[in-house]
Amino acid sequence: GQSLEQPSEVTAVEGAIVQINCTYQTSGFYGLSWYQQHDGGAPTFLSYNGLDGLEETGRFSSFLSRSDSYGYLLLQELQMKDSASYFCAVRGDMNRDDKIIFGKGTRLHILP
Amino acid sequence: NAGVTQTPKFRVLKTGQSMTLLCAQDMNHEYMYWYRQDPGMGLRLIHYSVGEGTTAKGEVPDGYNVSRLKKQNFLLGLESAAPSQTSVYFCASRTQGRMSAFFGQGTRLTVV
Repeated sequence: GQSLEQPSEVTAVEGAIVQINCTYQTSGFYGLSWYQQHDGGAPTFLSYNGLDGLEETGRFSSFLSRSDSYGYLLLQELQMKDSASYFCAVRGDMNRDDKIIFGKGTRLHILP
Repeated sequence: NAGVTQTPKFRVLKTGQSMTLLCAQDMNHEYMYWYRQDPGMGLRLIHYSVGEGTTAKGEVPDGYNVSRLKKQNFLLGLESAAPSQTSVYFCASRTQGRMSAFFGQGTRLTVV
């Protein structure tokens, strides 16, 4: 099976940088991804890491270390609109890549 | 291009009633998923499908059934609703080989 651990809440200041960590345990691994969800809305895809290293998309970056079963999402130049919940997710099970399993989410609070 | 559409958006059921949630996608995606989201629990996978005519159990399948008679539609059924099934239900789809899943806007279900 799969399990993912991420902090339940993180608080940061507008304009600052924040890192949201995710550790995972899976029987098979086909990549780590990140989703954003605003209150009352649907999750939307942010980024994906299939290999070790850093992926950058504008103000957001995501990192993966497969040897450590660890990844993080880095948000730079925080804006108030970044206040949301962020979920890490893993794809796959032993020999299959069909499931997507999510962590419980990290609520990001941004202070002005 | 509508993406992923869920109907209905809201529903109140009495304990023991049955209902079907419909998910329709117009992106020709192979994989479709049903999740439930409860406070503090993240997104939990109920059932999923890897193609027309196929379904599989996720993390929390008990009390639910699904069908995928057409590639574009994925139905979630509750045969005898229970208050524990009060939740927000999200449908998602993705294409094979891609990690990005697209979500519908959710169905808020209350069982009284």
